[in-house]
Amino acid sequence: RKEVEQDPGPFNVPEGATVAFNCTYSNSASQSFFWYRQDCRKEPKLLMSVYSSGNEDGRFTAQLNRASQYISLLIRDSKLSDSATYLCVVKSPMTTDSWGKLQFGAGTQVVVTP
Amino acid sequence: DGGITQSPKYLFRKEGQNVTLSCEQNLNHDAMYWYRQDPGQGLRLIYYSQIVNDFQKGDIAEGYSVSREKKESFPLTVTSAQKNPTAFYLCASSSPRGAGGGADTQYFGPGTRLTVL
Repeated sequence: RKEVEQDPGPFNVPEGATVAFNCTYSNSASQSFFWYRQDCRKEPKLLMSVYSSGNEDGRFTAQLNRASQYISLLIRDSKLSDSATYLCVVKSPMTTDSWGKLQFGAGTQVVVTP
Repeated sequence: DGGITQSPKYLFRKEGQNVTLSCEQNLNHDAMYWYRQDPGQGLRLIYYSQIVNDFQKGDIAEGYSVSREKKESFPLTVTSAQKNPTAFYLCASSSPRGAGGGADTQYFGPGTRLTVL
């Protein structure tokens, strides 16, 4: 089982609509959670960190559900420029012989259509 | 402007050749990382370095080598021993270690796309 799993999509979303998708993680002791955005053939860029209480940044809302081990991202009032692949990133817990490295999901593709 | 630069953007290698990918950052970050991205897969960690003159293998280090002689620079060499080197290579760095150490938010360079001919 992969440590971080995402629905690859694509999620086809009309402009102005709302889209939401989840990411599940396998290690219940995971410490930190992030959403990155990656445009085609570009580098990933941090979209937002995900906090335990949930957090919002403009049209983007991230939630964490530790009991069910998933995080979610919701995009309201979708813009054409939101078309991208969204990577779920989870920080593994530190142990005596390993540091808390980041585990990346393969990404969820979102396509916003006019 | 502060940031991470990678060069070249595109690289073509013949089989049996070693090639070196450059990664430089002026963010004053202690930690630097190399990842590989293949289509349909998440980023996989090749090597990382948390401090100058020290580095550790990641999940897929075989066929790769690195050095960390300067804080700003973390070059990656793809050797002829790497069986399937065609991929998108991403370098990242993270902010200085806080309490507890370990990885923090990582910022990526623009990547190098390596193709083996």
